[in-house]
Amino acid sequence: KAGVTQTPRYLIKTRGQQVTLSCSPISGHRSVSWYQQTPGQGLQFLFEYFSETQRNKGNFPGRFSGRQFSNSRSEMNVSTLELGDSALYLCASRFVPGQEQETQYFGPGTRLLVL
Amino acid sequence: GNSVTQMEGPVTLSEEAFLTINCTYTATGYPSLFWYVQYPGEGLQLLLKATKADDKGSNKGFEATYRKETTSFHLEKGSVQVSDSAVYFCALSSSGGSYIPTFGRGTSLIVHP
Repeated sequence: KAGVTQTPRYLIKTRGQQVTLSCSPISGHRSVSWYQQTPGQGLQFLFEYFSETQRNKGNFPGRFSGRQFSNSRSEMNVSTLELGDSALYLCASRFVPGQEQETQYFGPGTRLLVL
Repeated sequence: GNSVTQMEGPVTLSEEAFLTINCTYTATGYPSLFWYVQYPGEGLQLLLKATKADDKGSNKGFEATYRKETTSFHLEKGSVQVSDSAVYFCALSSSGGSYIPTFGRGTSLIVHP
């Protein structure tokens, strides 16, 4: 089975621009979560999508948004980019949400640099 | 709210040394506990997990025991290798309610030949 894939792997943007990142979960997985990883804040949960609906949300401003398509693929959008948005963005998929002991599988991440 | 505290790194060891990375947590209810590993330039990989008190998770020579009385989930390995050099994350997912996983800050492990 193919793993979680994320595109693009690297991205450079300037302040004020917006960016869209893509995540394709493992086949059959219906839940996709997004995380931001920075040296200063560590790994922080952004949101989780299931059946095209946002189920859970972390503590991030409204500039961070996402969506999920009927094939479970997910996109994350960040508008009006700030320097502090430079980070590694990870997505993770799992089969059935609501089962807390279930394993998440992470993608390799998209490294975003905001200049 | 939930929180995970890991020992500060980096942890520097010689090959074949014994490894312990401490992890303690604060959570309501009965969380599931995880250790993830991140190699340079890659995403996180699940290393092991435990879903209830006294469970021991193990994989690739690593092990950790879910200790509810001390709210701990320390990672151990009897003999580390250079290839174990990576960043290790302790994490929990809470039982019931919203699924918002909580991660520790990560501990960098450097193993010298």
